Amino acid sequence: LAKTTQPISMDSYEGQEVNITCSHNNIATNDYITWYQQFPSQGPRFIIQGYKTKVTNEVASLFIPADRKSSTLSLPRVSLSDTAVYYCLVGDPRWEYGNKLVFGAGTILRVKS
Amino acid sequence: DTGVSQNPRHKITKRGQNVTFRCDPISEHNRLYWYRQTLGQGPEFLTYFQNEAQLEKSRLLSDRFSAERPKGSFSTLEIQRTEQGDSAMYLCASSLTSGGRTDTQYFGPGTRLTVL
Repeated sequence: LAKTTQPISMDSYEGQEVNITCSHNNIATNDYITWYQQFPSQGPRFIIQGYKTKVTNEVASLFIPADRKSSTLSLPRVSLSDTAVYYCLVGDPRWEYGNKLVFGAGTILRVKS
Repeated sequence: DTGVSQNPRHKITKRGQNVTFRCDPISEHNRLYWYRQTLGQGPEFLTYFQNEAQLEKSRLLSDRFSAERPKGSFSTLEIQRTEQGDSAMYLCASSLTSGGRTDTQYFGPGTRLTVL
């Protein structure tokens, strides 16, 4: 299973764009990159998933360079409610591999007013 | 609300007692996962089911732990003879497997266990 490395914490202010980068040097060909968000005393919440290039949804964008050894989660115009832990995961979603999620320690994002 | 529910939300027990947690996944989801999360750490995989079949158990799941999903719907996780080291948040997630791949896992709110 690919290991991921991401910053332990980041600080930002309301209205700013936040970019959290994750490195996964040993990513395998069939691995996808997935980001989850977790608030205290709640379960993780899916944010976005991608394989290559750029993926965008109503919440965030995910940028993946051609070598796929890193990825960047971009949160536009953050608010105080975006203060949470953000996890970057890589894994093979094919049926036979179980898709067991492997979480690291995540990045604590603190948004200030 | 993801549609995955867990009960109870909190459980306080004394060391040596047995506890059981329940997870109700999203109704059409055929995969169900259990994870454990301790303070300051990310969730760790414990076990997962495909319908009613338990397909994999982590080394973290000692003999005191047992999980079932009898009818392929809800699941229970039982811990026998609890120890203080079992104190953690127990998370359940469900997903749909189709077309040879597994889709996004949706997590419940978790059950926080405190063993005194």
